[in-house]
Amino acid sequence: SAVISQKPSRDICQRGTSLTIQCQVDSQVTMMFWYRQQPGQSLTLIATANQGSEATYESGFVIDKFPISRPNLTFSTLTVSNMSPEDSSIYLCSVYEIFGSGTRLTVV
Amino acid sequence: EDKVVQSPLSLVVHEGDTVTLNCSYEVTNFRSLLWYKQEKKAPTFLFMLTSSGIEKKSGRLSSILDKKELSSILNITATQTGDSAIYLCAVEGYSGGGADGLTFGKGTHLIIQP
Repeated sequence: SAVISQKPSRDICQRGTSLTIQCQVDSQVTMMFWYRQQPGQSLTLIATANQGSEATYESGFVIDKFPISRPNLTFSTLTVSNMSPEDSSIYLCSVYEIFGSGTRLTVV
Repeated sequence: EDKVVQSPLSLVVHEGDTVTLNCSYEVTNFRSLLWYKQEKKAPTFLFMLTSSGIEKKSGRLSSILDKKELSSILNITATQTGDSAIYLCAVEGYSGGGADGLTFGKGTHLIIQP
């Protein structure tokens, strides 16, 4: 099964700034997924990232707030833009049934 | 809209007990049901179920899917303190564009007391 390297592992950011999260997969995959887990909540799908096309966002998530890049079949980034404390969450990427190690984001 | 409901939401048992966790779902174009164990940040994959009535087993953990009842159970026998975690159930559908992402339930918070 695929191995995913996700970074950063955690970060504390000032409100109004942006953070870019990276995921590197050890094999080529067509689809990568990005999830958010707010404190005490379950995982919610943010968007699906296909190589060579625009990401597909779920209801409640918009490209301006969560721009995604997918430059090749092994790599993707998610940016959390203009952050507020409400963005404090764990962010996770996945391929197939496997998840990256997660990024714990705290916005102060 | 796809939906996953897990029960119980929390469960406290003693070491050595057997537990059964439940998951029911509604999904358009069912593809698979997955179980995960979450201890820190990242969910750890346990099982993927696609066919009804076929039990999947890994050590003390086992799971089975009932597509008629739109449900699944996860059993853990001879529980150990290391089994304490949140157990997540998720379903995967598919659309014309390929596999959809996963829809997760709220999870069962399992605590194993020594």
